[in-house]
Amino acid sequence: SQTIHQWPATLVQPVGSPLSLECTVEGTSNPNLYWYRQAAGRGLQLLFYSVGIGQISSEVPQNLSASRPQDRQFILSSKKLLLSDSGFYLCAWRIGATNEKLFFGSGTQLSVL
Amino acid sequence: AQKVTQAQTEISVVEKEDVTLDCVYETRDTTYYLFWYKQPPSGELVFLIRRNSFDEQNEISGRYSWNFQKSTSSFNFTITASQVVDSAVYFCALRIYNTDKLIFGTGTRLQVFP
Repeated sequence: SQTIHQWPATLVQPVGSPLSLECTVEGTSNPNLYWYRQAAGRGLQLLFYSVGIGQISSEVPQNLSASRPQDRQFILSSKKLLLSDSGFYLCAWRIGATNEKLFFGSGTQLSVL
Repeated sequence: AQKVTQAQTEISVVEKEDVTLDCVYETRDTTYYLFWYKQPPSGELVFLIRRNSFDEQNEISGRYSWNFQKSTSSFNFTITASQVVDSAVYFCALRIYNTDKLIFGTGTRLQVFP
């Protein structure tokens, strides 16, 4: 069966420090991968999605970037964190257009201080 | 532009009460999909249901039921005989056909008290 791993679960970082959140999917190949952010009191905002290795689409201009170095690995990064980057980050995947279900990881709570 | 509105920020009910979570969406596209997800305290979103824009049949799954009405652009979710385990944040979402973007509402926090 397919599983999605996301780590770390919680992270406290100072303003200006770098960020790297990792997400990996097991039990499937060539998934569509997504990074969402859930700010306090708000819905889920799509940040990036990827349909294949090295292919990244950005939904909103921001201080973050994403990379997909391997088929089942999706990384969210920042060179210098801002206070506004605080939030709950969720990685998700689905299989192309044939499967409508989006499966989410357990999330990372990021606090930038 | 597409948009999903969940006007109810928080709902509190007592166990065994029925509760309806509202969802109103906006889109000019004729082919789209609507979803409901549950986010328990653990944080992970759990898929509940998907409906496509051509299927307006209401659906029932155990204590859960969904009412899709294109005339009012609504996709409401009802929990019958609520239980404490139903306590969670529930998200409604919209995806336009042939796009990869899932547009979420702001969620409704449901608290079921014993």
